Amino acid sequence: DGGITQSPKYLFRKEGQNVTLSCEQNLNHDAMYWYRQDPGQGLRLIYYSQIVNDFQKGDIAEGYSVSREKKESFPLTVTSAQKNPTAFYLCATRQGNEQYFGPGTRLTVT
Amino acid sequence: GENVEQHPSTLSVQEGDSAVIKCTYSDSASNYFPWYKQELGKRPQLIIDIRSNVGEKKDQRIAVTLNKTAKHFSLHITETQPEDSAVYFCAASGEGGNKLVFGAGTILRVKS
Repeated sequence: DGGITQSPKYLFRKEGQNVTLSCEQNLNHDAMYWYRQDPGQGLRLIYYSQIVNDFQKGDIAEGYSVSREKKESFPLTVTSAQKNPTAFYLCATRQGNEQYFGPGTRLTVT
Repeated sequence: GENVEQHPSTLSVQEGDSAVIKCTYSDSASNYFPWYKQELGKRPQLIIDIRSNVGEKKDQRIAVTLNKTAKHFSLHITETQPEDSAVYFCAASGEGGNKLVFGAGTILRVKS
């Protein structure tokens, strides 16, 4: 999981603005995931991609968008349509069954 | 789809005692069950996992048991230490193993 980077660690935005969270990996893993974590809750899947140029919605995709133009990169855009965007966002990759997580980005929208 | 329930939500134990966290899942087709440990402000780290063809797996002080019939699996930590204090998440694979569904987490506090 040292090969997964997310930037920035903390991000602040005003309500109504779109914001893009970065996720880069050098593990050569095909599958990548975005999760959202709120206090007292588990990780909830936003989007995932099993291969370049392909991605699927997870359980809470509304108000989010992704792209997968390169194997190494899977950016997540939090749009103004997301009603409650303040959360801790985790990117992950998968090899076999095992998922490995990046360090996360804490997004605060006011 | 898959649903995973985790209990208890918080657990306090005395240093040296054992801790047990339990999870149930709904999809009988799930075949992979990992456990993650997350320290405050950090990323979840895989600590142990089990596949559906195995009933128990141990790694030093940590063990996981799986009961496929009852659709539940448990994490056992023996001889707990203060550094075991963290949030623990169970998960189950769904939809062909490409996705994980997570439990809500257990806050473990080990008192010294």
